[in-house]
Amino acid sequence: DIVMTQSPDSLAVSLGERATINCKSSQSVLYRSDNKNYLAWYQQKLGQPPKLLIYWASTRESGVPDRFSGSGSGTHFTLTISSLQAEDVAVYYCQQYYSTPQTFGQGTKLEIK
Amino acid sequence: QVQLQESGPGLVKPSETLSLTCTVSGVSVSSGSFYWTWIRQPPGKGLEWIGHVYFTGSTDYNPSLKGRVTISLDTSNNQFSLKLSSVTAADTAIYYCARNKGRSGFFDYWGQGTLVTVSS
Repeated sequence: DIVMTQSPDSLAVSLGERATINCKSSQSVLYRSDNKNYLAWYQQKLGQPPKLLIYWASTRESGVPDRFSGSGSGTHFTLTISSLQAEDVAVYYCQQYYSTPQTFGQGTKLEIK
Repeated sequence: QVQLQESGPGLVKPSETLSLTCTVSGVSVSSGSFYWTWIRQPPGKGLEWIGHVYFTGSTDYNPSLKGRVTISLDTSNNQFSLKLSSVTAADTAIYYCARNKGRSGFFDYWGQGTLVTVSS
């Protein structure tokens, strides 16, 4: 199985400031034949199911605010929130869908400082 | 609008079989564009992929569940289901159904989740 490791486990950021969450995979999730990284990011607010934010490592899902962006390739990825809003308080997960079983990172809890 | 809704017992006894159904609306489970997935989340913990089913009936399961899982389709009712046998307290979790685009795909629609507790 591909192991996904996120850092940090928790993060406190002031409103309006940048938040950065990292995700590392135990092997590359870049599929050479289509040059795509099989990596997604989800946001889970308390008591709700996860919500898809980013797929193919950097493609924003429809309706997701443009303050959310994804970057990286191969084994190292980053989710950036450019200007933190109060409604962004949540747990964030990365997920690889390069191979079965699909696996998730352990989650990063984002709070307001 | 695509919607998924889980249903089933909220309490299951140890050693028995957990059975859940996901009712899908807004898209046919017979569509060849999607796989239909179960994911679980123990209270306060992370997400674990359980497995998925394709419209052909083809399935993939997480090996960590050691042959205890069966996922199947009911196209006449636009549903898919999960059976997990020989449950223990470790199977207590919120169970989500979700849709993914392709066998290797991200999950773009999720149900609200249902908490299943394993206890005598």
